[in-house]
Amino acid sequence: AAGVIQSPRHLIKEKRETATLKCYPIPRHDTVYWYQQGPGQDPQFLISFYEKMQSDKGSIPDRFSAQQFSDYHSELNMSSLELGDSALYFCASSFRDRWGTQYFGPGTRLLVL
Amino acid sequence: GQQLNQSPQSMFIQEGEDVSMNCTSSSIFNTWLWYKQEPGEGPVLLIALYKAGELTSNGRLTAQFGITRKDSFLNISASIPSDVGIYFCAGQLRQGAQKLVFGQGTRLTINP
Repeated sequence: AAGVIQSPRHLIKEKRETATLKCYPIPRHDTVYWYQQGPGQDPQFLISFYEKMQSDKGSIPDRFSAQQFSDYHSELNMSSLELGDSALYFCASSFRDRWGTQYFGPGTRLLVL
Repeated sequence: GQQLNQSPQSMFIQEGEDVSMNCTSSSIFNTWLWYKQEPGEGPVLLIALYKAGELTSNGRLTAQFGITRKDSFLNISASIPSDVGIYFCAGQLRQGAQKLVFGQGTRLTINP
């Protein structure tokens, strides 16, 4: 079965640079979520989108923004990167009527030097 | 802050043993989920629970949604080496809520 696709899988950036992470949800899923997972930590919710509208927001820094496009894929834009932004970033997707059942992608490992 | 308390934090067992882990909270959850994560990979959904008291199996895995809606457990029977990983519980706090709240994870190590 098709799964959530994330790109790139690995990304190395310098401090103060920008990064863009992409997420392609499972076909026919209409809601996407972004999570951040630090080393040895559990995933922390950042933001979600349903039908191209931001639908929920967690502890996402103001330096980060995201959007969902008409084909339901989503992009997480991260500016003025800091060392502390180094983490695994996961995208998850679900159907609207099953927001509680989220399927995660393989993640993007971001390293900020 | 952390709203789900998951225990134990780590387990070291022999192959073939049964495993039990649980999550508790002071909050009522609408949905409970159990995920398994391997190093550098995304969490893989194992079991989703939607109703209080619900008991669901997926092969050697069994999970239950507590009657009070504040807890859940996951059992793994007859463990095998490929069960190694970190198991997370996660919950949806209320109907219509989108974010999942995660437990701290249980790291399972199996001695062959």
